[in-house]
Amino acid sequence: DIVMTQSPDSLAVSLGERATINCKSTQSVLSSSNNKNYLAWFQQKPGQPPKLLIYWASARESGVPDRFSGRGSGTDFTLTISSLQAEDVAVYYCQQYYGAPLTFGGGTKVEIK
Amino acid sequence: EVQLVESGGGLVQPGGSLRLSCAASEFIPSTYWWNWVRQAPGKGLEWVANIKQDGSEKYHPDSVKGRFTISRDSAKNSVYLQMNSLRAEDTAVYYCASGDGWRFDFWGQGTLVTVSA
Repeated sequence: DIVMTQSPDSLAVSLGERATINCKSTQSVLSSSNNKNYLAWFQQKPGQPPKLLIYWASARESGVPDRFSGRGSGTDFTLTISSLQAEDVAVYYCQQYYGAPLTFGGGTKVEIK
Repeated sequence: EVQLVESGGGLVQPGGSLRLSCAASEFIPSTYWWNWVRQAPGKGLEWVANIKQDGSEKYHPDSVKGRFTISRDSAKNSVYLQMNSLRAEDTAVYYCASGDGWRFDFWGQGTLVTVSA
């Protein structure tokens, strides 16, 4: 199984400042056939289902603000919120869809400092 | 945007069975897969099953293999999760999700399953 490890577990950032979340996989999620990383990021607010933010490690889902960006390849990935807004308070998960079982990171809680 | 609506959750005794349903508001493309993902109270996300839109392939993680079975009815644009031999640790909100390939592009609101005597 591919284990996804996120860091930190929680993060407090001032409004307008940058937030960075890390995600590491125990094996590469980069496909040699299409050169794509099978890595997604989700945002989950209390009482709501997760919402897809980023797929293919760096492709922003339609309607997602451009302050959200994803980077990385192989086994190491980051999600960056360039200027934290109040509505970004949530738990963020990374997830690999390279192989079964599909697995998620443990989540990172982002709060306002 | 496709809307997914889950139903069938509730309270069940340990060892019991429950069948969850998820209906899509419009036709799901053939390249999409249906998924079930669960979230125990206060915990993270765990994928529990997926099935190809044409039903030709399906997968379950070891944690539920032999107890949970995913199926779909393309005519009804729906997917189901039959859960047998339920345990306390299966207590969770169960989400239906779908997307291109194995991605989770859109999600339902979830249905709560509580396993307790």
